[in-house]
Amino acid sequence: QVTLKESGPALVKPTQTLTLTCTLSGLSVSTQGMRANWIRQPPGKALEWLARIDWDGDKFYSPFLKTRLAISKDTYRNQVVLRLADVDPLDTAMYYCARVGVGDALDIWGPGTMVIVSS
Amino acid sequence: DIVLTQSPDSLAVSLGERATINCKSSQSVLSTSGKKNLLAWYQQKPGQPPKLLIYWASTRESGVPDRFSGSGSGTDFTLTVNSLQAEDVAVYYCHQYADVPLTFGPGTKVDIK
Repeated sequence: QVTLKESGPALVKPTQTLTLTCTLSGLSVSTQGMRANWIRQPPGKALEWLARIDWDGDKFYSPFLKTRLAISKDTYRNQVVLRLADVDPLDTAMYYCARVGVGDALDIWGPGTMVIVSS
Repeated sequence: DIVLTQSPDSLAVSLGERATINCKSSQSVLSTSGKKNLLAWYQQKPGQPPKLLIYWASTRESGVPDRFSGSGSGTDFTLTVNSLQAEDVAVYYCHQYADVPLTFGPGTKVDIK
């Protein structure tokens, strides 16, 4: 059974760098075809795709946040890490990781981790 | 970027009746092979992550009740919920994965009338 679980700080101050971790179970970050995404959702608002990393290390970013985002994977810990620099209260959101699976859609999502940006 | 719009923003349907949600894409979401529409539908209930209902525009994910169906091609798509049940109250999102950046529609809230 494949599961994903996000973790990270619940509260971050403006201008700091937010680091979020997605831990995969039942699937290796290095398995051919593995593609892991980060998506966020501000309270009461729609979903926004942030970034993706593939099993072979290819990376893709939202053009709106590209200069602030960095995605990476830790093969040893079987994790996908997202860093968001220079955070602002507008970055307050639930952050989800999700894998590309059946039909190339995002078929398995983690429960999410809520991040509040406030001084 | 591919922009997705959904209509209506919200709707209220009587139990047992049909709910219809539309999604329009700013450009085609056909795969490079031209054989698949790379469009999915998700259901999101409060406090939960989105749940995949439909992929390739019309293929139901395993375990999803058959009252949920998707249709459409190219730029116009529809999610239909036949015989609405109380547990179907949620926000529904369409999502295109034909091109990066991946994008989502703004969502449609479905309630019971």
